[in-house]
Amino acid sequence: ETGVTQTPRHLVMGMTNKKSLKCEQHLGHNAMYWYKQSAKKPLELMFVYNFKEQTENNSVPSRFSPECPNSSHLFLHLHTLQPEDSALYLCASSQGLAATDTQYFGPGTRLTVL
Amino acid sequence: GENVEQHPSTLSVQEGDSAVIKCTYSDSASNYFPWYKQELGKRPQLIIDIRSNVGEKKDQRIAVTLNKTAKHFSLHITETQPEDSAVYFCAASGGGYQKVTFGIGTKLQVIP
Repeated sequence: ETGVTQTPRHLVMGMTNKKSLKCEQHLGHNAMYWYKQSAKKPLELMFVYNFKEQTENNSVPSRFSPECPNSSHLFLHLHTLQPEDSALYLCASSQGLAATDTQYFGPGTRLTVL
Repeated sequence: GENVEQHPSTLSVQEGDSAVIKCTYSDSASNYFPWYKQELGKRPQLIIDIRSNVGEKKDQRIAVTLNKTAKHFSLHITETQPEDSAVYFCAASGGGYQKVTFGIGTKLQVIP
């Protein structure tokens, strides 16, 4: 598959569970992002990685833990989440961190926390 | 930090009419303004963008205008079609660093 892929597409978890979201980009990009998309709110940037190094943590609670083993893969590890964390989590990638580098989004993981 | 406001939050137009979505931004250092379209259940996709050294850009039925002095930019869709129905997000980034700030989105409904 080309572009940016995310798995799983849907996830239901309890507040005590531990789960991980996976993102993979096949575009040869160097930068990857996690966003949270909630109803009636703007897309919220969570984390930015460039060449595997985290360059941005947008005051995200520690129950969200990102991991970037290489420029093509990005994970978001989840533990002890709250119901308000239910949202669509989008991964994106771009060639680099220049302001004009277009971000390409994955299809998202719809997360429901019970 | 940057703040992007987007209006309206919902917009209904008859097929064939034009649609206009407006955004304002706060950081004068922002110099790149992309627009994304997100169809129901799908990923956001870039549809058009404009840089700060350009006042207007067109791509078929879509155009974007930028007023740097007033710090606002707009998306114009002409001859709307039902497949234009989606949520449209404006965004701003700049200062030489890729930190895009998105607007809240506009849900456009084109009525056949």
